[in-house]
Amino acid sequence: GAVVSQHPSWVICKSGTSVKIECRSLDFQATTMFWYRQFPKQSLMLMATSNEGSKATYEQGVEKDKFLINHASLTLSTLTVTSAHPEDSSFYICSARQQGLSNQPQHFGDGTRLSIL
Amino acid sequence: SQQGEEDPQALSIQEGENATMNCSYKTSINNLQWYRQNSGRGLVHLILIRSNEREKHSGRLRVTLDTSKKSSSLLITASRAADTASYFCATDPHQAGTALIFGKGTTLSVSS
Repeated sequence: GAVVSQHPSWVICKSGTSVKIECRSLDFQATTMFWYRQFPKQSLMLMATSNEGSKATYEQGVEKDKFLINHASLTLSTLTVTSAHPEDSSFYICSARQQGLSNQPQHFGDGTRLSIL
Repeated sequence: SQQGEEDPQALSIQEGENATMNCSYKTSINNLQWYRQNSGRGLVHLILIRSNEREKHSGRLRVTLDTSKKSSSLLITASRAADTASYFCATDPHQAGTALIFGKGTTLSVSS
């Protein structure tokens, strides 16, 4: 079945560091990928929609300069948390849709736990 | 933004009992999906029900959808300790290429 790989699964770094998270669709093409953020014991909140070859669409309240998204190919989207601070610590999850298919489940990565010291 | 509410927020049952979780949503949908998440892990897709379907089964799972009430329910029969997890409903809007919108989730604890 369709698989989405997310890397790294766990990051611990110092405040001020920029962190890049990769999301890959392994066996299908995805013109659209999605980035979610999840705080402990809460649901997933959509941060942005990543569009291959064009700018990402950010949800209200999400700083585009803070969370840089690049979707350079049909199988890879990256999220870079720039100058990360402790309040950016969270669980980040990406998902992707198979291109051209409707009424199909989205495929999720295993998530990245980001801890900023 | 989140689509709606799920209830209960938390549910504790004994092994062998059935667990029912409910989800309400606000806008029109293409389909509704249920996902499971173990603590600290990613999401696992459980079942998808289309807007023109009313009920769907998959193993010990039974999902209903009432589009007139904008609500869905997930029933897990004969629960097991391994079913302990958080369960989320997610609505898939009519617009192509849009993201799933998640409910707040139900945390299920099954004790043996």
